[in-house]
Amino acid sequence: DAGVIQSPRHEVTEMGQEVTLRCKPISGHDYLFWYRQTMMRGLELLIYFNNNVPIDDSGMPEDRFSAKMPNASFSTLKIQPSEPRDSAVYFCASSPRGYHSSYNSPLHFGNGTRLTVT
Amino acid sequence: GQQLNQSPQSMFIQEGEDVSMNCTSSSIFNTWLWYKQDPGEGPVLLIALYKAGELTSNGRLTAQFGITRKDSFLNISASIPSDVGIYFCAGGDMRFGAGTRLTVKP
Repeated sequence: DAGVIQSPRHEVTEMGQEVTLRCKPISGHDYLFWYRQTMMRGLELLIYFNNNVPIDDSGMPEDRFSAKMPNASFSTLKIQPSEPRDSAVYFCASSPRGYHSSYNSPLHFGNGTRLTVT
Repeated sequence: GQQLNQSPQSMFIQEGEDVSMNCTSSSIFNTWLWYKQDPGEGPVLLIALYKAGELTSNGRLTAQFGITRKDSFLNISASIPSDVGIYFCAGGDMRFGAGTRLTVKP
């Protein structure tokens, strides 16, 4: 099991550019989560999917952020246009089925994408 | 919305000391999860708690699910340098506390 795979590991871009972060969840996991981590705000839940369908996107900061999950093995988080305040580490996590409630399933995190917007 | 309050924010301890941290919520949860994050990596699950009053151990780690279902604590006994990191609690809605940053001095 390769775990949750995120790419790229690091991204440096200029303000106004489009940024796309990618995630491959663990095979067989029904839930996929996107988090953002900053010193000021900690780990924030941005959006999560169940069976490729977005369930709760209330954490998405604004319309510049969008996330898709076209199939069970791939998800993207896009920022367009990017701004310096978007600089953070973005984590993807997936969660297995087979528990009494998927809400309660522990998350498996990728190693994150460190985004720097200058 | 619900809010998780995790304390302390940071701890500086000597190797060999015991550590205690806790998490409280304004909402009732059916699950409490404790994670550890090492530098440059994503959080990794340490202990999962599924029942009020449950006390669970994993090596030197012990965690308890509060009887009110609104709190949980994590203890680390006989700390070692590799315990350094950020410890997070999470409730059943997958939102995380602010974390406790642990530093262990050899």
